[in-house]
Amino acid sequence: SQTIHQWPATLVQPVGSPLSLECTVEGTSNPNLYWYRQAAGRGLQLLFYSVGIGQISSEVPQNLSASRPQDRQFILSSKKLLLSDSGFYLCAWSEQVVTNEKLFFGSGTQLSVL
Amino acid sequence: AQSVTQLGSHVSVSEGALVLLRCNYSSSVPPYLFWYVQYPNQGLQLLLKYTSAATLVKGINGFEAEFKKSETSFHLTKPSAHMSDAAEYFCAVSGGGTYKYIFGTGTRLKVLA
Repeated sequence: SQTIHQWPATLVQPVGSPLSLECTVEGTSNPNLYWYRQAAGRGLQLLFYSVGIGQISSEVPQNLSASRPQDRQFILSSKKLLLSDSGFYLCAWSEQVVTNEKLFFGSGTQLSVL
Repeated sequence: AQSVTQLGSHVSVSEGALVLLRCNYSSSVPPYLFWYVQYPNQGLQLLLKYTSAATLVKGINGFEAEFKKSETSFHLTKPSAHMSDAAEYFCAVSGGGTYKYIFGTGTRLKVLA
């Protein structure tokens, strides 16, 4: 069966520090991969999605970036965190063929930038 | 561009009462619509999805939703609320040949004893 791993579960970082959040999927091949951010009262904001290795689509211009070095690995990064980067970050995957299949979510990372 | 609007960021119902969570969508192409539930500090789980088959969709835990094209709505209902239904609920839309899933701002459901 398919599983999605996301870590760390919680993270406290000072302003200006770098960030690296990792997400890996097991039990499937060539998934679509997604990063969402959840902030209070703002729902889930799509940050990045990827349909293949090295293919990244950015939805929101900001100081975050994403990379997909391997088929089932998706990394969210920042060189210098801002206070506004605080939030709950969720990784998700879906079957690539069509978009009427559901998203499978990881358990999330609570990021606090102080 | 696709979007969804969830009316009511917080909804309170008594245990045993009808649950109605509202979602309206905007899409220039036939949409795929989803409802997800999120329990505290967890990821999201799919409740149900609409993919152009039956307009009345039944999901898990007794929830159902009806796709109404004329009203561009996909409201979530449950006849009788249970304490365990307390959570945050998200409506989402996809389709049109993209791989994006766009979520609403969520509705936090509180169930009163």
